Amino acid sequence: DAGVIQSPRHEVTEMGQEVTLRCKPISGHDYLFWYRQTMMRGLELLIYFNNNVPIDDSGMPEDRFSAKMPNASFSTLKIQPSEPRDSAVYFCASRLGQGTYIQYFGAGTRLSVL
Amino acid sequence: QKEVEQDPGPLSVPEGAIVSLNCTYSNSAFQYFMWYRQYSRKGPELLMYTYSSGNKEDGRFTAQVDKSSKYISLFIRDSQPSDSATYLCACQRAAGNKLTFGGGTRVLVKP
Repeated sequence: DAGVIQSPRHEVTEMGQEVTLRCKPISGHDYLFWYRQTMMRGLELLIYFNNNVPIDDSGMPEDRFSAKMPNASFSTLKIQPSEPRDSAVYFCASRLGQGTYIQYFGAGTRLSVL
Repeated sequence: QKEVEQDPGPLSVPEGAIVSLNCTYSNSAFQYFMWYRQYSRKGPELLMYTYSSGNKEDGRFTAQVDKSSKYISLFIRDSQPSDSATYLCACQRAAGNKLTFGGGTRVLVKP
């Protein structure tokens, strides 16, 4: 299995621009998680999906952030408009069902907002 | 105060030494405990997974959970330069879906 695939690996954009991060979970996994990692705050959960349905978005920092999962093999995290304080590494992780709590992480997208 | 606390380090040890890492947590509902390893510019990867209290060993790695003191530990024996990474502890409630991570401890194993 190729694991969790994220794209792009690096994104540099200017303040005010729209940013879209993409994630392909491991085939067959029915949970998908979006995290943000910064030096100051560590690894924070933003939102997670179960069977393509958003279950908990309490970690989404504000309305500028949105996430979708149109099908079992694809999810996006969108920031519009982007701000310099959004600069971070964004990770996607997936997990197989109940009974196991092991999340498998992608390599991340390093976002820089200038 | 964070639910899961971890000393950020860095922790520097000579090759072959035992690396001792630990976390404390405050939520008594946590039942699942994990250690993830994160190399620079990579995603976290699962290293050890423990349910409730007790010890678990896997090769050079030993994970310990003491629920009475809300303390979890990871020991790395015969450390290698390739063990240089950031180690993140994570906790989860039973029947929950959200992992709560510590801030990570950076480890440097010097040849």
